[in-house]
Amino acid sequence: EVQLLESGGGLEQPGGSLRLSCTASGFTFSSYVMNWVRQAPGKGLEWVSAISGSGDTSYYAASVRGRFTVSRDNSKNSLYLQMNSLKPEDTAVYYCAKDRETWLTRNNDYWGQGTLVTVSA
Amino acid sequence: EIVLTQSPGTLSLSPGERATLSCRASQSVGSTYLAWYQQKPGQAPRLLIYGASTRATGIPDRFSGSGSGTDFILTISRLEPEDFAVYYCQQQATFGPGTKVDFK
Repeated sequence: EVQLLESGGGLEQPGGSLRLSCTASGFTFSSYVMNWVRQAPGKGLEWVSAISGSGDTSYYAASVRGRFTVSRDNSKNSLYLQMNSLKPEDTAVYYCAKDRETWLTRNNDYWGQGTLVTVSA
Repeated sequence: EIVLTQSPGTLSLSPGERATLSCRASQSVGSTYLAWYQQKPGQAPRLLIYGASTRATGIPDRFSGSGSGTDFILTISRLEPEDFAVYYCQQQATFGPGTKVDFK
């Protein structure tokens, strides 16, 4: 059974940093592209970032490029999102999600339960 | 940048009825990466359809997808009580704003 478990969310001040983690199980983690998708309270879904299975290629939405960094440790079946220079508009539930293919489609067939990030003074 | 528009914003129906949800792209897109998701309150999204018309693993056959170019449709042939939710379409990095299917 595929499982994705996020952690690391919380309350941070504008300009601060947070690091989200996602631990995966139930599939060959290193084979798949992994994505981060966020959802602001009461709003729709926004794709944030993706990383190739090997970790050597990453992709970002324009809204986070230059501030967020995605990485992975395949030896630990773990995905990370380093979020710097946080803004109030980054407030959202952040989901870790498995791409349905081993190449980038951004179509995600398994999702974690999400972790809430709140950026506020 | 592609913009996805979903209509209607809210669809009020009864169990057993047919639901037809629309997703329109601002420019012609390939169907390979066109997906539909279902999301219930407090839950993560669930992949229903990818490649515009392929059902994801475990998705009942009352859900079907169709379309090409700029116009895509998600059809729920007969609504079950558990189908009342918000539905999003997605094309690569862009999600539509969602259609809420609620009880009439």
